[in-house]
Amino acid sequence: KNEVEQSPQNLTAQEGEFITINCSYSVGISALHWLQQHPGGGIVSLFMLSSGKKKHGRLIATINIQEKHSSLHITASHPRDSAVYICAVRLGTGNQFYFGTGTSLTVIP
Amino acid sequence: DGGITQSPKYLFRKEGQNVTLSCEQNLNHDAMYWYRQDPGQGLRLIYYSQIVNDFQKGDIAEGYSVSREKKESFPLTVTSAQKNPTAFYLCASSRQGPPYGYTFGSGTRLTVV
Repeated sequence: KNEVEQSPQNLTAQEGEFITINCSYSVGISALHWLQQHPGGGIVSLFMLSSGKKKHGRLIATINIQEKHSSLHITASHPRDSAVYICAVRLGTGNQFYFGTGTSLTVIP
Repeated sequence: DGGITQSPKYLFRKEGQNVTLSCEQNLNHDAMYWYRQDPGQGLRLIYYSQIVNDFQKGDIAEGYSVSREKKESFPLTVTSAQKNPTAFYLCASSRQGPPYGYTFGSGTRLTVV
């Protein structure tokens, strides 16, 4: 079973391009988590969403609860944005998150 | 600064040996988790603990063991019964319930030779 699907699996962009990464899920959720994993392996939290839209610098995350879909946008992409971006969802009131397989982004100078 | 510390970052062990991965947090989080990451796959849950002295199996607990004697610490032992232990292991913690997300450690890459 895979509650979370991400697309695309791999993405290559030129520096400065607008990037969109998509996340779809199949069940009702209480929260959605966007994470960034750099080549060294450590994971950092970008956003936690339960509705609407959040923005932090060049990153924007949106969620549509009815359509069970979230997007992560990166404006004016830069090579330092190269990483794996992971979507994770929390079901109901539990603590546990379920993870997508990630989108590997490479931004070329 | 609060955070999660995993050690060591890289670990090499001979086949058939048990090995223990350390995870310590000073965030005062109640819940702690161990995940395994393999190339091309999402994070898979090994064990989790909601409270001291209690823990639950995740999706891939076979061949692993944990303890939670202190709130701050959640060590993972990879036993010789784990058939394919070479992987990247991530520890995470969180407060209880929504809207809190995870804080992750930097991971331990285990290679069994």
